[in-house]
Amino acid sequence: KAGVTQTPRYLIKTRGQQVTLSCSPISGHRSVSWYQQTPGQGLQFLFEYFSETQRNKGNFPGRFSGRQFSNSRSEMNVSTLELGDSALYLCASSLSGLSGYTFGSGTRLTVV
Amino acid sequence: ELKVEQNPLFLSMQEGKNYTIYCNYSTTSDRLYWYRQDPGKSLESLFVLLSNGAVKQEGRLMASLDTKARLSTLHITAAVHDLSATYFCAVPISGGYNKLIFGAGTRLAVHP
Repeated sequence: KAGVTQTPRYLIKTRGQQVTLSCSPISGHRSVSWYQQTPGQGLQFLFEYFSETQRNKGNFPGRFSGRQFSNSRSEMNVSTLELGDSALYLCASSLSGLSGYTFGSGTRLTVV
Repeated sequence: ELKVEQNPLFLSMQEGKNYTIYCNYSTTSDRLYWYRQDPGKSLESLFVLLSNGAVKQEGRLMASLDTKARLSTLHITAAVHDLSATYFCAVPISGGYNKLIFGAGTRLAVHP
C-alpha cells in the first residue's frame, strides 16, 4: 500500500519568504501530525490534524501554521522564514495510536 | 511535562556483541514506540509497545516496556554493520491527540 507522501523533498528559500509543505497520508488515515527535526533541538511536535481540525499544537511561533483538507491531505506553512527554520520537516499519519505512526520521507528546508 | 531520556546517546559497538539502549520517561504512559533513522532519511517504525510487559522481537532487535518503571529497552543481539543508525523512542502525551515526545536518539555505530 502507498505510504505517506511528502512534497517537495528539498527546498531552498531566502529569509523572509514563505513556504508551503504538503503531506498525503496513508489512505484511510485521518490523523496527520507534523514534526520538525534539527540537530540542536531533535524532533519536536508542530501540530496534529484530525478530520480537518487542529487538535493539538506544539510550542512554535504563529509563523507556523497548517491545515487539513477533506481528503486528509495536510499542508503546513511557514511565513517570514528565518535561518533557524532550516530543518527536516516530517509528517506522520495514523489510523490510531494502537497501530502506530507512519512517517513520510520528509521535506528538507534550507533557509539562506 | 513529559520528558523522554535515552541513553546512551552514542554507542560504538563491535560486530557480534550485545548491547541495550534505555529509554526512560517521566509521566505515566502505557504505550511507547521505537524508530530507526538512517542518515538523511525519515523515521522507520520498529516496534509499537502497547502495554506493560510487552516484548517484541524483530531479527537482532528486541524491545520491551515496563510501564511501572517508566522504562523501555531496545536490546541488540550479535550486532551487524547494517544496524548502524540512530534509534529513537517516543512516548505519546496522555490525552494529547497523537502528540509524541521523542528521546534525543541513540547513534549506533557497528564496526568490525
